[in-house]
Order: sequence, then C-alpha cells, then structure tokens
Amino acid sequence: GQQLNQSPQSMFIQEGEDVSMNCTSSSIFNTWLWYKQEPGEGPVLLIALYKAGELTSNGRLTAQFGITRKDSFLNISASIPSDVGIYFCAGHNTDKLIFGTGTRLQVFP
Amino acid sequence: GAGVSQSPSNKVTEKGKDVELRCDPISGHTALYWYRQSLGQGLEFLIYFQGNSAPDKSGLPSDRFSAERTGGSVSTLTIQRTQQEDSAVYLCASSLFPSLGEQYFGPGTRLTVT
Repeated sequence: GQQLNQSPQSMFIQEGEDVSMNCTSSSIFNTWLWYKQEPGEGPVLLIALYKAGELTSNGRLTAQFGITRKDSFLNISASIPSDVGIYFCAGHNTDKLIFGTGTRLQVFP
Repeated sequence: GAGVSQSPSNKVTEKGKDVELRCDPISGHTALYWYRQSLGQGLEFLIYFQGNSAPDKSGLPSDRFSAERTGGSVSTLTIQRTQQEDSAVYLCASSLFPSLGEQYFGPGTRLTVT
C-alpha cells in the first residue's frame, strides 16, 4: 500500500537535544497527524493539523502543516528518555489515513 | 473513559488454521478501522466501517481476510487458512469524526503463524 516518505529513518540523540523529523508526499492531504508508538502498544495521537501553514504545539512538541499540503514536520525540544519510540506521520483525505514509514528515536541519558 | 480494546493480545496459530481477532471501539465512535503492521514497518490499511454504510474493504490483501461489525460496535477480523506471511500486529482504531482524520488505536493483536 501507499506510504509517505518520512525522514530520518532513525535518530540517536543525547538527552536535552532537540529533534526534528519530516514527512513528504506526492499527494495533497487535508489533515496531517503525528503519532508515537512504543513497543507492544498501539500508536498514540500526539498532534493533529487541519490547515495549510498551521503551526501547533503540544508541550515540548511542535508540528507544522506545510504550505503545499504535501509535507509536515515535527520538532521535539529538550528530549528526555521517555521520548523513545517510533514516530509516525499520517496524511488524511477521504476517511483513510496514509502512514509514513516511521522515525525511530533513541535518547541516551 | 475506556480506550479501544483488542483481544487476544497475542495469538499463535498453525498454518492453515482460521483465526478471529476482536476489537471493541471507544463508546460512541461510529467509525472503526483495521490495520496491519509487519515487523518494523508502518501501518497498512485493511478495512473501514462507518455507521451503517457498506464497509470499505479496499485494503484487504486477499479473500482469506474478512471483517464484520455487529450492532455498530464490536468488530471481528477473520483470517482463514492462515499463512506465515500473515504474521503481524493487527491494530484496530476508532474515530468520532472520521472526516477530520483523528483515529485512536488499540494495543493490537500480535499474530504468529507457525
């Protein structure tokens, strides 16, 4: 099935560092969403973006909906060990989500 | 309130056997989705139920896969004559406003076909 291009594929960072990941598509989406998945769990919704150019924050997380509607990025500031997991972007059009390939984040103390 | 629940959490079955996976969505959510996630991969859409409308089955990989949703709530995903390539985590999600895209996921069922 279709998947969005998400980068980087993995990141290994030190606690306290900022993180940035992005997602691109050849298709336009009406909504962009970011999820986090921890081992043995389902994805948990972090942020939803509904309008091109929108910048939304949730605590240390900030995400933006690209102007072209074909991309989005997620920033995590001052990372902590519990930020470890796989982050997925997802684009939404007609009642279905198309997921990115995921960014695996490791945080070292 | 309670989130999406799925059962069983783990299922090991022999090749050729049938399996049933269950999903209880968040109460009041009219939309229900099934996804498959292979090891280290993203999520692959399987099927989508919305209210009383005919389900969108466009993601089902073969006719061995089927799903039903009874009474607009609980859903069962059935895989007949399981194959080793069916081994994956099967995730269920529900949504109150499917047109906005926000979906809430259960913990998944890890299926292993030996």
